Amino acid sequence: AQSVAQPEDQVNVAEGNPLTVKCTYSVSGNPYLFWYVQYPNRGLQFLLKYITGDNLVKGSYGFEAEFNKSQTSFHLKKPSALVSDSALYFCAVRDGGTGRRALTFGSGTRLQVQP
Amino acid sequence: GAVVSQHPSRVICKSGTSVKIECRSLDFQATTMFWYRQFPKQSLMLMATSNEGSKATYEQGVEKDKFLINHASLTLSTLTVTSAHPEDSSFYICSARTSGGEYNEQFFGPGTRLTVL
Repeated sequence: AQSVAQPEDQVNVAEGNPLTVKCTYSVSGNPYLFWYVQYPNRGLQFLLKYITGDNLVKGSYGFEAEFNKSQTSFHLKKPSALVSDSALYFCAVRDGGTGRRALTFGSGTRLQVQP
Repeated sequence: GAVVSQHPSRVICKSGTSVKIECRSLDFQATTMFWYRQFPKQSLMLMATSNEGSKATYEQGVEKDKFLINHASLTLSTLTVTSAHPEDSSFYICSARTSGGEYNEQFFGPGTRLTVL
C-alpha cells in the first residue's frame, strides 16, 4: 500500500519569507515522490519529482524539495514566497517497485502568501 | 512535458442523463490512463485505471456500471457518467502514462467540471 500525509490544511506566510509545505509518505518499496500545484478550476501543474539520486530536488518557479528517507518526508520549500504562489499544493507518491500503480495524492495544503 | 487534453472543460447536465468526457494524449502514446475525481476542497481520488485494449480496473467503492471507461486507442480514453445525479457533480481529471520513459511519469489533463442539476 502507498499513502501520503499532508498534515497542514493551510500554510500562511508573508511575501518574501521562506515557505515550507510538509509531506510524509509510506510505501513498501522505493518511493517516487512528486509535488503538484493547482490553481482554482485548473488541473495539476507539475513542480518537481524525486526518483533517485540527490536528496535535494529543484523544480519549477524556484521551488525545491528535500527527500529524507529516515523521516519518510518530502517537504516542499521556497526561499522567498511570492503572492502568486498562493494555490493548492499536492504531494503524491508511487511505489517504484510496482510500476503499474497510479499516483496516490495527499489531502492538499492551501498556501496563502500575504503581501 | 507531454500534453494531455480533456473535453469538455465544463459540462452542465440534467439529472438522469449521461455525460461523456474525453481524455487525449496529444504528443505521446499512453498505454495507461487514470481517472481521478476531486470534490471541492478535497484531494484527488483515483477512480479507475485503464490499459489500452483491456477492461478498466476500478477502485473500491467506484461503480463500474455507472462510470464507464473505454480506452480504445493509445491516445484516447473516455469516461461516461451514466444516469448522472447531483452527487456526481465533481471535477474529473484524467492522467496518462507511457509504457516507455525512464520513470513512467504521469501527465495530467486540465480537468472537467461536471455539474448535474
